[in-house]
Amino acid sequence: DSGVTQTPKHLITATGQRVTLRCSPRSGDLSVYWYQQSLDQGLQFLIQYYNGEERAKGNILERFSAQQFPDLHSELNLSSLELGDSALYFCASSAHFSGGSGELFFGEGSRLTVL
Amino acid sequence: GQNIDQPTEMTATEGAIVQINCTYQTSGFNGLFWYQQHAGEAPTFLSYNVLDGLEEKGRFSSFLSRSKGYSYLLLKELQMKDSASYLCAVTPGGSYIPTFGRGTSLIVHP
Repeated sequence: DSGVTQTPKHLITATGQRVTLRCSPRSGDLSVYWYQQSLDQGLQFLIQYYNGEERAKGNILERFSAQQFPDLHSELNLSSLELGDSALYFCASSAHFSGGSGELFFGEGSRLTVL
Repeated sequence: GQNIDQPTEMTATEGAIVQINCTYQTSGFNGLFWYQQHAGEAPTFLSYNVLDGLEEKGRFSSFLSRSKGYSYLLLKELQMKDSASYLCAVTPGGSYIPTFGRGTSLIVHP
């Protein structure tokens, strides 16, 4: 158990819909990272927050947005869903602003299926 | 852009040794990670290399050559539970966000 909690574990929805994925980092970790994992693309970095502020952006679509709340939990919002958004979405946390030599601790992921 | 290459799949026999290679081309370099991921589960940290050389941790070792843009993960005394995907991730210069390769699926058979 990494200490990172993600909900829901599984989600099935239809094209055009909107979903919210939730992540609680390890106790004391200030950085939260979101990654998308699909079969053909591997783990793709989406976005990172540190202590409530956005710090880095990766290949995140404009239809997607995220935020980190004062209690440090984070939410990833996916809207106008398309079939291609079906993937496993991972949240990871680390203690520091800079990953550096610090490992990322990953949650179990949220598996999104868009029909 | 960043480019990280790993073999897609490898097979090995229980009790044997296997080496999983990773080559990378990135803008600068701040470190290289190896993660293990069992099917449908979260990636878990195995090792981190920032300087050239070999880092040993139990049955697993990781090697780095920065000049060659090359790393390998060495798994000794393979066990069935080592069947998993092994992800190489590089933190490029000026960044602290690991960029992941597509992973190597290792199948260990009796």
